[in-house]
Amino acid sequence: AQSVTQPDIHITVSEGASLELRCNYSYGATPYLFWYVQSPGQGLQLLLKYFSGDTLVQGIKGFEAEFKRSQSSFNLRKPSVHWSDAAEYFCAVDPTSISGSARQLTFGSGTQLTVLP
Amino acid sequence: EPEVTQTPSHQVTQMGQEVILRCVPISNHLYFYWYRQILGQKVEFLVSFYNNEISEKSEIFDDQFSVERPDGSNFTLKIRSTKLEDSAMYFCAVRGAVEQYFGPGTRLTVT
Repeated sequence: AQSVTQPDIHITVSEGASLELRCNYSYGATPYLFWYVQSPGQGLQLLLKYFSGDTLVQGIKGFEAEFKRSQSSFNLRKPSVHWSDAAEYFCAVDPTSISGSARQLTFGSGTQLTVLP
Repeated sequence: EPEVTQTPSHQVTQMGQEVILRCVPISNHLYFYWYRQILGQKVEFLVSFYNNEISEKSEIFDDQFSVERPDGSNFTLKIRSTKLEDSAMYFCAVRGAVEQYFGPGTRLTVT
């Protein structure tokens, strides 16, 4: 079955520390891949996307993500976390690249990030 | 990044009442989506809308739900007879070249 998994429900890091949030997908081929961030009571902001080409993609706010086909993963990273990064992070996939017609996003269950001072 | 606005930001309604949630994408788009997020849960797809008709819908999108784009700009989600379990954040999204851009959401509270 097609699915998106974020194995970490909650991650706590200290400000200035590095961060990696995991995302795995299970599809027959490589879908479009995204990371969104949601601050409390807010909407979903697109951090970055992967649809082809370079497997290391840069996003906003200093985030990057690496696509690894062999592991069906698209992990989000940041070298040095700021207190303002505390939020919920969602990995999402779009199988449009597989189906050939525009499709909806399927979201992972999210990872809540807490940043300690 | 396309701007998407949603109104109202918060709607409180009694069970059995009809609600209409509105989405206004600022620029022209072809694909529109509604998603919902029940408190503490992940974002779930409801329906997609293309060329003035429903393109896909999830099992959540039953006969109580409908969507339309009445005037070529506003994109609305109607829930005919709300239930307690409809309480959630409802997000509108538009499709860019590949990605989707989300509005700030409407928090629907059914009492």
